[in-house]
Amino acid sequence: DTEVTQTPKHLVMGMTNKKSLKCEQHMGHRAMYWYKQKAKKPPELMFVYSYEKLSINESVPSRFSPECPNSSLLNLHLHALQPEDSALYLCASRPALTSGRPYEQYFGPGTRLTVT
Amino acid sequence: QQPVQSPQAVILREGEDAVINCSSSKALYSVHWYRQKHGEAPVFLMILLKGGEQKGHEKISASFNEKKQQSSLYLTASQLSYSGTYFCGSGHTNAGGTSYGKLTFGQGTILTVHP
Repeated sequence: DTEVTQTPKHLVMGMTNKKSLKCEQHMGHRAMYWYKQKAKKPPELMFVYSYEKLSINESVPSRFSPECPNSSLLNLHLHALQPEDSALYLCASRPALTSGRPYEQYFGPGTRLTVT
Repeated sequence: QQPVQSPQAVILREGEDAVINCSSSKALYSVHWYRQKHGEAPVFLMILLKGGEQKGHEKISASFNEKKQQSSLYLTASQLSYSGTYFCGSGHTNAGGTSYGKLTFGQGTILTVHP
């Protein structure tokens, strides 16, 4: 299994809703990422988890709350979002430092989020 | 800081070659290249590390000038499947650094290959 899966593929939510995005990988990777991508722009890093611990938070607003329940699963909890948060949310994972390929990030297909 | 890519867009016919450049004002430890097709996830192409270079991908190769803080991606004998947006990502620490794994992507270069 060499893929990262993300659910749902599409999500429409109101500004008062609470929703969650899910990301899963079964490649034994111990680092997982959340990126935000606006149309015709590059992915922007939001969070990095390394060995299930949050290692990087790129000053993301608290209405985005990441969670890493185990080494295969990464969630992004959403609450009180704004219309400008509408974007493609990408998850990625990376092999361990000891793998011989510690730099390659594997991206999931993304969740297209629309905030109304 | 975001690396700067040039050109912003390239249009080719099958079989033609192209070069995409990536430069940074900040010292680079590594340069990562990804391709993203419309509506799909970015796909890793290759990484160039300070003091070395890892494997290429298909007929695509790259160079890394550490002193000039620049990298170039070379696509030879382009195929229709090469169409997409190419991103370079700058890595600023080695594998043990506190910011390890953090990539800052350039704005992207849109490559279109016509038959």
